[in-house]
Amino acid sequence: AQKVTQAQTEISVVEKEDVTLDCVYETRDTTYYLFWYKQPPSGELVFLIRRNSFDEQNEISGRYSWNFQKSTSSFNFTITASQVVDSAVYFCALATSSGNTPLVFGKGTRLSVIA
Amino acid sequence: SQTIHQWPATLVQPVGSPLSLECTVEGTSNPNLYWYRQAAGRGLQLLFYSVGIGQISSEVPQNLSASRPQDRQFILSSKKLLLSDSGFYLCAWSGQSGRKNIQYFGAGTRLSVL
Repeated sequence: AQKVTQAQTEISVVEKEDVTLDCVYETRDTTYYLFWYKQPPSGELVFLIRRNSFDEQNEISGRYSWNFQKSTSSFNFTITASQVVDSAVYFCALATSSGNTPLVFGKGTRLSVIA
Repeated sequence: SQTIHQWPATLVQPVGSPLSLECTVEGTSNPNLYWYRQAAGRGLQLLFYSVGIGQISSEVPQNLSASRPQDRQFILSSKKLLLSDSGFYLCAWSGQSGRKNIQYFGAGTRLSVL
């Protein structure tokens, strides 16, 4: 069975602080994909990143960075110098290699950035 | 470029009334299509997904049904709504090649059953 755990239900930080959102996954597949999505107050889910199981390189995109560690089955997401616009619910998700199976989502972490 | 449309954006319906939510995708062919529900303050629950016309997989037995009458059209229906059907409904699509398992979401429909 596949599972994604986002243990942090809600996080609140002051603007310009760094914040890390945790994601731990479970799967027996050797090939899989991990995702992060952002859900702003408007409700639409916005795709942020996809990472496959063979690529453990960390990725940085502006103030966003992702740390993938197979040894701990984690795919954590860090926002540097957080801004009020980063306030949203963030979802981590997992998919198998087949491509036709739906994503398995974590329950999400609500991030509030206070000015 | 590909776009996904969902309507209506907001809906208020009485208990026992029927429901029809529509989702269409433009700019791609033979997409995988998905319906999710998100209850207030909760995570995403996959309701249905489809890999082709007339092919529907149901994840959760419930009061809802889905249909795919055309390649890029996905409809969520109910004959009689329950209070527990209230929530935020999201449609999503993913492609058949390339970055094929990335799901792209519509803007959602907020359904209130009273």
